[in-house]
Amino acid sequence: DQQVKQNSPSLSVQEGRISILNCDYTNSMFDYFLWYKKYPAEGPTFLISISSIKDKNEDGRFTVFLNKSAKHLSLHIVPSQPGDSAVYFCAARVETSGSRLTFGEGTQLTVNP
Amino acid sequence: DTAVSQTPKYLVTQMGNDKSIKCEQNLGHDTMYWYKQDSKKFLKIMFSYNNKELIINETVPNRFSPKSPDKAHLNLHINSLELGDSAVYFCASSQSFGSGNTIYFGEGSWLTVV
Repeated sequence: DQQVKQNSPSLSVQEGRISILNCDYTNSMFDYFLWYKKYPAEGPTFLISISSIKDKNEDGRFTVFLNKSAKHLSLHIVPSQPGDSAVYFCAARVETSGSRLTFGEGTQLTVNP
Repeated sequence: DTAVSQTPKYLVTQMGNDKSIKCEQNLGHDTMYWYKQDSKKFLKIMFSYNNKELIINETVPNRFSPKSPDKAHLNLHINSLELGDSAVYFCASSQSFGSGNTIYFGEGSWLTVV
C-alpha cells in the first residue's frame, strides 16, 4: 500500500519555464511534507517542506503547495535551470511517529537548455 | 567535509556472505536511520536509532542487524546475503524526533549480491 505516490516518473521542461512536480497521498494522518532532490550516485538532499497547517511555502525559486482536501501537494520550480535536473522525491510523515518518512517513488526532472 | 558518510560506496558480494556497511555523521545529531532503495526506486525506512536506542524496526529480516556504538555511528550488518538484498542503502541522521527536523542522507552504498 503506497501511501505517497508520484504518478509521473519523468518530466521534461525548457530552461526558464516552470516545472511542476506532483504528489498525492492517502494517509490523512500525515501532517508534514517534504521534497528531496537526488542527483545520480548521491544521497537525497532536503529541498523544502510544508506543515499541514499551511497551504504554501516558498523558498527562492521553489514553492510547495498543499491541498489537504485533495491530499495533494506540488512543487513548483520557476525559473527552471539545467542544474535542477535530478530526481525529486516527495515525502510525508506523521508527527507522532517521529521522523519516520514515507517516500514517493520519485520523478526524474530534466531541464533542457 | 561530509556530514553523513557511509562506506563502502560500492559492494559486490556472493550469496551467503556476511557484510557490513558503516555510517558516521558529524552533525551532532542524536537520531540515525537506515533506508533502503529497492529496484523500484522506493525509499523505505529500515531502522532508526535515537541516542543509541533502537526506536524503529520496520519488519526487516533478522539477517539485518544494526549496531550503534555511539550517537555518531550506525552500522548495518547483513548475514547470509540473498539476491533480493541487492539495493542501495542510505544512512541518514536528524536531530531528535518531531516534525520540522530535517533528515540528512549519506551518499548511499550500492550493494550487489551475485
